Parts: sequence; C-alpha cells; structure tokens
Amino acid sequence: EPEVTQTPSHQVTQMGQEVILRCVPISNHLYFYWYRQILGQKVEFLVSFYNNEISEKSEIFDDQFSVERPDGSNFTLKIRSTKLEDSAMYFCASSADTEAFFGQGTRLTVV
Amino acid sequence: ILNVEQSPQSLHVQEGDSTNFTCSFPSSNFYALHWYRWETAKSPEALFVMTLNGDEKKKGRISATLNTKEGYSYLYIKGSQPEDSATYLCAFRGSGNQFYFGTGTSLTVIP
Repeated sequence: EPEVTQTPSHQVTQMGQEVILRCVPISNHLYFYWYRQILGQKVEFLVSFYNNEISEKSEIFDDQFSVERPDGSNFTLKIRSTKLEDSAMYFCASSADTEAFFGQGTRLTVV
Repeated sequence: ILNVEQSPQSLHVQEGDSTNFTCSFPSSNFYALHWYRWETAKSPEALFVMTLNGDEKKKGRISATLNTKEGYSYLYIKGSQPEDSATYLCAFRGSGNQFYFGTGTSLTVIP
C-alpha cells in the first residue's frame, strides 16, 4: 500500500541551526501539507502546497520556514534558524482526490 | 484560509462517559468531510469519510453524522475508554479537492 515517508524520524539540532525535514508524498498526489504537534499541545497547521506553490499558510509559518519540492518527488520543510519552541513532531501529509495520508512524523528536538 | 472549526478545543471525560464534539465547515462547494484520530507521536488514522447530507457512519463505539446544508458534523464516542484519548481531527474537502483541516479536539479519558 502506498505511504507517505518522512526522514529523519528524529532530529536533534542546536538552537540557531538550519534543519530540513524531508517527506516523500504518495506519487500521484497533488496536495501536500505540513503540520506539527508540540508535546502536550494541539495539532497546528503550518502550510499547504499545490502546483509547486504555497496555497495556504498559518501564522506560525513565518519567514523562518520554507517549503519546496526540490526534485519533483520530495517535499521538504526548512527551518532556517531553529528556536527552542520549534521542538515538536512534524507531520507531512499528501492527498489526491480521495483521502489524505500522513507520514509517521519527524521528532525535532532543538537544544 | 477556508474556515474549519472544531469545538471544544479540548475535553476531559471520565471512563465510561459518552461524549461528542463538533466540526463546522462551509456549506457551499462541499465534496466530503473526513474524520481522523490522531494519537500523540503517531500519524493520524482515518476514521470516516462522509459525503452525503444525513450520512451516519459507525466504527465500534465511535459514530459520526453529517449535515452539509448547515455545515456541521458531530463525532460521538459511546462509553469512552482511556485508549480513546487522542486528538480528533476533521477535514473538509471542497470541489477543488484540497483538504482543509480543523485544529482538532483533544480528548482525554480519565480512568
């Protein structure tokens, strides 16, 4: 069964460093999303992406964040200068016209 | 951003209690309404896809109803158990096929 895969599963980074979280969506899907969940808090929408551009983004998705599809298959989330409060589980999802599928998440720990 | 609202934001219930929560969405250009169950540090699990006004779906102790004319869906859990503790996320899908997720209802079932 096709699935969304995310790498790495866990990333530890120093505050102020850049991180790139990678997602491989399901191949024929057109819409891509990033969500995050800070431990003990609610799920937060970050951004949605369609047709090679951002279709919507939340207030959280400020200039420190960016997304791209560097090679037509991967979908990446970059955080330019990480803060302690960026520590969270980051989930990627992709959808076509039936169902949205989520990856297993990347746990980002900023120290 | 198309508005999908869920209420309440969080809920604490005693084991054995029944509970319900709401997802509100635009009543125009409706295509489908999805419910997901999202446990902490796991990827979301699809519960229901609902497409017709008046739809009722059931999976064990969990059921959902749909009113597309007034733009809401209810999710019910009968006899809550600690393993039901999770975030319940709804997603509206319009004619454009993009998913618009709510912010989730975080349910904690106290043993």
